[in-house]
Amino acid sequence: DSGVTQTPKHLITATGQRVTLRCSPRSGDLSVYWYQQSLDQGLQFLIQYYNGEERAKGNILERFSAQQFPDLHSELNLSSLELGDSALYFCASSVDTENTGELFFGEGSRLTVL
Amino acid sequence: QKEVEQDPGPLSVPEGAIVSLNCTYSNSAFQYFMWYRQYSRKGPELLMYTYSSGNKEDGRFTAQVDKSSKYISLFIRDSQPSDSATYLCAMSSSWGKFQFGAGTQVVVTP
Repeated sequence: DSGVTQTPKHLITATGQRVTLRCSPRSGDLSVYWYQQSLDQGLQFLIQYYNGEERAKGNILERFSAQQFPDLHSELNLSSLELGDSALYFCASSVDTENTGELFFGEGSRLTVL
Repeated sequence: QKEVEQDPGPLSVPEGAIVSLNCTYSNSAFQYFMWYRQYSRKGPELLMYTYSSGNKEDGRFTAQVDKSSKYISLFIRDSQPSDSATYLCAMSSSWGKFQFGAGTQVVVTP
């Protein structure tokens, strides 16, 4: 158990809908990262938050948005869903020091868009 | 062209053999290098972390970084069936924005 909690574990929805994925980082970790993993693209970095502020942005679509709340949990919002958004969405956290080098990943949220 | 290239495999080896995995990259600014292991339907877990160049050993695992060739490797000695998983390389030029390889599926047969 990495200590990172993601909900829901599975989600099935229709095209055009909007969903919210939630992540609780490990106790004490200030950074949260969101990754998308699909069969043909591998793990793609979406966005990173540090202590409530956006720190780095990757290949995140405009239809997607994220935020980190004062209690450090994070939410990833996916809107106007398309079939191609079906994937595993991982959240990871870290203490955000260069010495540890470790991202702790949650179990992922599997999104299926029909 | 992707910044990080990794052969997807599958790579099948007999139990006890050495597993050799590698990734190539194009961004010379990468300085943080990691290897993750991912079991089916689970999140990736960190195996090895290396900053800049050099070798690092941890038990049965050895990681090598050759920045001049933009090439990193992971070796698993005395492989076990429990090592069967997908192995992902990851790297970054600055802390946080890690780029992952596509992952290599490894199968260790008893």
